Amino acid sequence: DAGVIQSPRHEVTEMGQEVTLRCKPISGHNSLFWYRQTMMRGLELLIYFNNNVPIDDSGMPEDRFSAKMPNASFSTLKIQPSEPRDSAVYFCASSLGTWDTEAFFGQGTRLTVV
Amino acid sequence: DAKTTQPNSMESNEEEPVHLPCNHSTISGTDYIHWYRQLPSQGPEYVIHGLTSNVNNRMASLAIAEDRKSSTLILHRATLRDAAVYYCILRDVSGANSKLTFGKGITLSVRP
Repeated sequence: DAGVIQSPRHEVTEMGQEVTLRCKPISGHNSLFWYRQTMMRGLELLIYFNNNVPIDDSGMPEDRFSAKMPNASFSTLKIQPSEPRDSAVYFCASSLGTWDTEAFFGQGTRLTVV
Repeated sequence: DAKTTQPNSMESNEEEPVHLPCNHSTISGTDYIHWYRQLPSQGPEYVIHGLTSNVNNRMASLAIAEDRKSSTLILHRATLRDAAVYYCILRDVSGANSKLTFGKGITLSVRP
């Protein structure tokens, strides 16, 4: 398996533009996590899906952020409109969905909003 | 969520054992102890996890106190590649919410 695949790896966009980050989890995994990492705030959990259903979105910063998981093999994180403070590395991770298994992380998407 | 407390940083010499401590005094009976690490410019990677008994795998060992209020990640022979941020995380098994929440972690430096 190729692991968790995120795209794009790097994204530079102008303030106010819509940004869509993509994630393909490992086949067979039924839990998916989106994280954001900055120097100031560390690694923050944004949202967590189980069986394509959002279980906990308490970490989503505000209404500008939305996440979807239309099927078991694909998820998106959208920011509209983007702001400079959204600049961060965004990670996607997947696991078999229980507490007793490890989560596998993608390589991340480095987002820069200018 | 139950919280964990780790020192900010630790230094080690190459090829020597490293003991990374973690305090979790408010741990509940349904919390598993997980350790992840993040190498520079990479996503986090799983290291080990356990509930009550000590655990060993190819990467490390996990020693869990009898009262489960603390644990120690043991790297038996540190290498330069082990320099990373190590995160100690409690993962609740009760209910449907099994999220993985990271704290600040401990930064391990390895001297040649």
